Amino acid sequence: DTGVSQDPRHKITKRGQNVTFRCDPISEHNRLYWYRQTLGQGPEFLTYFQNEAQLEKSRLLSDRFSAERPKGSFSTLEIQRTEQGDSAMYLCASSFGQGNSPLHFGNGTRLTVT
Amino acid sequence: AQSVTQLGSHVSVSEGALVLLRCNYSSSVPPYLFWYVQYPNQGLQLLLKYTTGATLVKGINGFEAEFKKSETSFHLTKPSAHMSDAAEYFCAVSTGSGNTGKLIFGQGTTLQVKP
Repeated sequence: DTGVSQDPRHKITKRGQNVTFRCDPISEHNRLYWYRQTLGQGPEFLTYFQNEAQLEKSRLLSDRFSAERPKGSFSTLEIQRTEQGDSAMYLCASSFGQGNSPLHFGNGTRLTVT
Repeated sequence: AQSVTQLGSHVSVSEGALVLLRCNYSSSVPPYLFWYVQYPNQGLQLLLKYTTGATLVKGINGFEAEFKKSETSFHLTKPSAHMSDAAEYFCAVSTGSGNTGKLIFGQGTTLQVKP
């Protein structure tokens, strides 16, 4: 169990650019979640996959955001035409089996949009 | 809809003193409740969880929490604070609908431990 891995740890980009983040969950975990956390706030749910199927998306996930999990293993989160309001920590988490199994979080990707 | 309220965004205690972090939840179905800890520039680590059964739940690092349905609370306690406990703590409730495992988090409480 190597834990949930996220890459990169930090990303600085200019407004209007596209960015992509990667998450590698714990290998046997079939569920994968993306959250966004802004300073002084708790994580906010963005989207959730069970295996390769994206089963739920938050209203926070605008059309500029897209997430994939093509083979039910790693996942990517892309933000197109970034805005300063996108600056946040993006957290990935995974879990196994039944709902309400604990989520295991990665260390996050901190995005700064200048 | 489910929600979580953490009372007190900052709590300061002296080393060796009791730690009490408050969490109240709102849920239309029996909730599953969690406490997570976050150290600077890191992800969240599970401290403990309540699903069913015993209402007093013990977790890692000497923390425990008690589920009180009548008070819709799930407060986190530790008898004696250590300097290493300084971190941000999040209470979360799991949505029951469809058993997706999705968590709804409170806004967090920053714990400061003074020597």
